[in-house]
Amino acid sequence: AQSVTQLDSQVPVFEEAPVELRCNYSSSVSVYLFWYVQYPNQGLQLLLKYLSGSTLVESINGFEAEFNKSQTSFHLRKPSVHISDTAEYFCAVSIIQGAQKLVFGQGTRLTINP
Amino acid sequence: EPEVTQTPSHQVTQMGQEVILRCVPISNHLYFYWYRQILGQKVEFLVSFYNNEISEKSEIFDDQFSVERPDGSNFTLKIRSTKLEDSAMYFCASKASSSYNEQFFGPGTRLTVL
Repeated sequence: AQSVTQLDSQVPVFEEAPVELRCNYSSSVSVYLFWYVQYPNQGLQLLLKYLSGSTLVESINGFEAEFNKSQTSFHLRKPSVHISDTAEYFCAVSIIQGAQKLVFGQGTRLTINP
Repeated sequence: EPEVTQTPSHQVTQMGQEVILRCVPISNHLYFYWYRQILGQKVEFLVSFYNNEISEKSEIFDDQFSVERPDGSNFTLKIRSTKLEDSAMYFCASKASSSYNEQFFGPGTRLTVL
């Protein structure tokens, strides 16, 4: 079975500051890794994903995440956050075969203060 | 841009009553999922559906739950006899194919069981 741990339930940062949201996973088989974002009163949106290849993946709005197999981590970073980044962020994994259900972490609420 | 829709946005019901949560996945998608999130807890996988049958279900998805794709466009989740602990946000998701990994989520239905 797979599991995902997001170590921080809430992360408050000031606008234009850097941020890192931590994610660790456990799995006995190879997995795909995802970060989803949920803005207030909206559904979950895919932010970025790691399937294979380069371990550093980027989103169109400046977020990046690095897959570290030895540390079983997939931390999300942004060098300079904006007020509009205020949201809940979910790390998730899925195995490569089968129904490819997503196994989520508990989420990290990112709050940007002006 | 195509999106997954869910109705109703909020459902209030009495314990023991049946509820049907409705979802319209993205047209031409082949894989369908239900997830739920109890307040303050992780997003949890309930069931996946492909080729008109359940492909995987979690331990949560017991005999009280059923899914159906009645008309080729809707995807429903039925809870036959609701319990207090069924109160949660229910998310529907769909995916285009087995080789395309992104699941697209709806905005969710908040179910409150009194």
